Parts: sequence; C-alpha cells; structure tokens
Amino acid sequence: DGGITQSPKYLFRKEGQNVTLSCEQNLNHDAMYWYRQDPGQGLRLIYYSQIVNDFQKGDIAEGYSVSREKKESFPLTVTSAQKNPTAFYLCASRGARDSNYGYTFGSGTRLTVV
Amino acid sequence: QKEVEQNSGPLSVPEGAIASLNCTYSDRGSQSFFWYRQYSGKSPELIMSIYSNGDKEDGRFTAQLNKASQYVSLLIRDSQPSDSATYLCAVNSYNQGGKLIFGQGTELSVKP
Repeated sequence: DGGITQSPKYLFRKEGQNVTLSCEQNLNHDAMYWYRQDPGQGLRLIYYSQIVNDFQKGDIAEGYSVSREKKESFPLTVTSAQKNPTAFYLCASRGARDSNYGYTFGSGTRLTVV
Repeated sequence: QKEVEQNSGPLSVPEGAIASLNCTYSDRGSQSFFWYRQYSGKSPELIMSIYSNGDKEDGRFTAQLNKASQYVSLLIRDSQPSDSATYLCAVNSYNQGGKLIFGQGTELSVKP
C-alpha cells in the first residue's frame, strides 16, 4: 500500500545533540513538507521541497535542516541550535500535479528533550 | 489578520446533534479547500475537500463553500462521540505558491 512512513515514532534528545527524523513516501509525490505541532496548537511549516535537490524554508526553519537527495525521502535534522525542540513532528506529501488535492500525512514523530 | 481563521473551541454538542465548524480565509485567489480530522496524539486525516461554491456531501459530513464571503464550513450530522477530535481547515493559497495554509483547528467534543 502507498503511504508515508515516519520513524521513529518516539525520539528522545539530549541537550546539545543533533537528531534526524526520517520521512519516506512511496506515493511518487514530488512535494514534501515538514510541520511542527505543539500541544493545543496548529501546524507550523518548517521546510518544504517541491522537487528533488531543492527545498525552501518555511515559517520556523531556524535550528532545523533538511535534504532532498531522493524523491522518496525528506529527512529532517533537529540541530542543537533549536532550543525548544520538544514537539510532534509531521511529514506530508502531495503530487506536483495534484495542487487541487490535500496533503497526505505520515503518522508523526514525537520528540522529547531529556 | 490570519490567513485562515477558525474558532478554537472547544465546541461541545450532544450526541445526535449537528456540529457546525466554521473557517474564514483571506486569500481571494484560493481555489481548493480541505477539512482534516485530528484525533489526540495522531496525525491529521483528510475527510473532505471542496472546490466549487455550494455544498458537498459525503455521508454524515457536508462541506459548504462561499467564495464571495471567503467562508467554508463543515457540518457533521448525527454527531457521535467518535467524532470528538480537532478539525483543521486548510486552504490552497495562490499567494503562497499553492501551499496549504492551515487554521489553528477547532476542538469538537460530542457528549453521550
């Protein structure tokens, strides 16, 4: 079945540590997105990529980095520069030709600083 | 003014009632509108999309769009406790290269 897989489901980060969240899709979608959601809050866009080898900053990119070397994969690194990384991270995708369609979301990664 | 606005709620309705969720948007060039349901601790799930003025029905759900008033709504008939969730309105923003812009979400609680 086609879909988006995020891993791990839960992730614990120590102070000063970089961690990478995985997002893989087999939907043949061109566009991929990373969002952050804090408790009781809406979705905030971190980074997005419309095509392989290209990505753009969203509204809250500071302290995060991404790569898009393959169409299927869009990993997010939470760096030590992100001072408040505890949140629920969601990856989404959409086909470039499907701008009239909504995003498909992965199941999310819950990151906690310990 | 936020690009997509929703009442945060919580909206509480008794089981069997109609729940009405509202959303306004600022970008007049928007062409596509979506409703997502998000259960606590889970990721958003697309439940309705609408592109033309008027109503679109799917089971107990009806989406309503009025582009002149820049208003989109979701009606849930015969509400069930399992409908208790946060509902996110999303708008395909012409001004932002076609990205979806999400509202803050409305929390719905259906009381047995």
